[in-house]
Amino acid sequence: KAGVTQTPRYLIKTRGQQVTLSCSPISGHRSVSWYQQTPGQGLQFLFEYFSETQRNKGNFPGRFSGRQFSNSRSEMNVSTLELGDSALYLCASSSRTSGRTGSTDTQYFGPGTRLTVL
Amino acid sequence: AQSVSQHNHHVILSEAASLELGCNYSYGGTVNLFWYVQYPGQHLQLLLKYFSGDPLVKGIKGFEAEFIKSKFSFNLRKPSVQWSDTAEYFCAVNERYSSASKIIFGSGTRLSIRP
Repeated sequence: KAGVTQTPRYLIKTRGQQVTLSCSPISGHRSVSWYQQTPGQGLQFLFEYFSETQRNKGNFPGRFSGRQFSNSRSEMNVSTLELGDSALYLCASSSRTSGRTGSTDTQYFGPGTRLTVL
Repeated sequence: AQSVSQHNHHVILSEAASLELGCNYSYGGTVNLFWYVQYPGQHLQLLLKYFSGDPLVKGIKGFEAEFIKSKFSFNLRKPSVQWSDTAEYFCAVNERYSSASKIIFGSGTRLSIRP
């Protein structure tokens, strides 16, 4: 199976602009999550989509948003970019979310999109 | 709130040395535990995971980890490291009864292996 793919791999933007990142999950995986990785803050959870619905959200401002399409592909959007948004944005997919017996699922990560805000 | 602590930020070893990377978490309930590795220029890869059963978990590339519930620890071990093990290692935890995506990562341990 092909892994999680993310496009573009690298992006340079200026403050105030907006950006859209794309993620294609592993075939058959319906859950897509987004994370921000920075040297100072480490890996932080942004949000999760499952069946085109946002199921979980981290502690990020409303400038960060996302959506999921019927084929499970997901996009993440950041509006009004700030210098502090420079980071590696990771997408991860898993085959299902938790059920009543608990979650025993595993996240598989893509290579990330390196966003630089100037 | 849940948290994960990786006390060693940077570990330097010679080839063939034994490795143990510490990971402690704070959460009183049932958890799933993971170790991920990020090789230079590559994406996060799952090394191993613990959900239930035998607390000694074997992963890829000769790594293993032991879940010690009483110590809230999930230390990563390898008996003999190689230069190719140079990477950043992340311990992670999520609550068994929450979504798999609500995973908390430690700050990472950078491992450098001297040839």
